[in-house]
Amino acid sequence: GAVVSQHPSRVICKSGTSVKIECRSLDFQATTMFWYRQFPKKSLMLMATSNEGSKATYEQGVEKDKFLINHASLTLSTLTVTSAHPEDSSFYICSARSNLAGDNEQFFGPGTRLTVL
Amino acid sequence: QKEVEQNSGPLSVPEGAIASLNCTYSDRVSQSFFWYRQYSGKSPELIMSIYSNGDKEDGRFTAQLNKASQYVSLLIRDSQPSDSATYLCALYSGGGADGLTFGKGTHLIIQP
Repeated sequence: GAVVSQHPSRVICKSGTSVKIECRSLDFQATTMFWYRQFPKKSLMLMATSNEGSKATYEQGVEKDKFLINHASLTLSTLTVTSAHPEDSSFYICSARSNLAGDNEQFFGPGTRLTVL
Repeated sequence: QKEVEQNSGPLSVPEGAIASLNCTYSDRVSQSFFWYRQYSGKSPELIMSIYSNGDKEDGRFTAQLNKASQYVSLLIRDSQPSDSATYLCALYSGGGADGLTFGKGTHLIIQP
């Protein structure tokens, strides 16, 4: 149980384009999902908390207009990187809190590696 | 500002020995603590969670929590080459931010 999927796993795009990443909880409902970003040899940094049916909560320094988050259902959250630039190239990972697991345990998707040319 | 400190390593341990990974944190109100394993190019995988002081054992893994000293550790017994990975310590403090705060991770190498 507690499986989280992400799509796509890898994307290469030109500077200025927008990229949408999907995060799905496959066998549980997730009222809250989280988006992290990880640069090479660095730790995960929380970008935003995605709440089903309400606006996302962004961490300090993360531009909400650049990283659009939509949590349309209890099993799906999407992150759209708008007008991507090379500095946005990173490993984007979502996680979801399972109502079936222990308190505050989060399960991660496999990640999406974004390369902006 | 919540901080989670880990020795980045690499920590080299012979196969079959006990690997000991340590983590200290600054936020006294932290409630939940987690150890994740991350292989290169992959996303983190939850190994252990611990919420109260003391030891928690799961197979070859033992997590130890000492809230008074603000540290949490992970012991891996009978280390295997497949245990070679980066181990991330994470904590949850609750309140307005529901995400986890991660340390930078310790790179563990199990030598055959």
